[in-house]
Amino acid sequence: EAGVVQSPRYKIIEKKQPVAFWCNPISGHNTLYWYRQNLGQGPELLIRYENEEAVDDSQLPKDRFSAERLKGVDSTLKIQPAELGDSAVYLCASTDRAYEQYFGPGTRLTVT
Amino acid sequence: LAKTTQPISMDSYEGQEVNITCSHNNIATNDYITWYQQFPSQGPRFIIQGYKTKVTNEVASLFIPADRKSSTLSLPRVSLSDTAVYYCLVGGISGNTPLVFGKGTRLSVIA
Repeated sequence: EAGVVQSPRYKIIEKKQPVAFWCNPISGHNTLYWYRQNLGQGPELLIRYENEEAVDDSQLPKDRFSAERLKGVDSTLKIQPAELGDSAVYLCASTDRAYEQYFGPGTRLTVT
Repeated sequence: LAKTTQPISMDSYEGQEVNITCSHNNIATNDYITWYQQFPSQGPRFIIQGYKTKVTNEVASLFIPADRKSSTLSLPRVSLSDTAVYYCLVGGISGNTPLVFGKGTRLSVIA
């Protein structure tokens, strides 16, 4: 069974530029999460989807971050414009059971 | 949300049993305790989950005392490949209570 797929794995952009991350969850998993992980810290939840509905986006900085999950499968997380402080690893996870989340390898974003 | 406290780091020699304790004094009645493992450049991976007493799987054991205010992850006979960050999380399994990751415990296994 294929795991959670994320792309790109690495991204370097200049500040004020836009960037987008893509996630393909495990087939059949209705719940999808986006996390941000700063160096030396645990993952921080940004948004949770149940199918195509964002049921928890309280931690998503909505002035510059947006996300979508069309058709309840793949998801895209966008930052526009990026700031230096957005440099982090962005993780996508999916599950069909809330406590056992399956994480992708993440996208390492560097904003210069 | 129940907050967890765990040691920042631990060292162990290969072949030893490692016990990582997590405190969660304000755990709620419907909260479960879940542990994840994270290797460098990878996303976290589910290890084990429990509600009370003891749970064992092929990877680890989880000990939870009667008051559930703490839990201990036990890794038997660790190897170099067990070097990773281990996260203790508490939350409901319904999904409505999000799992909150702390800083975790960085385990270093030494040959």
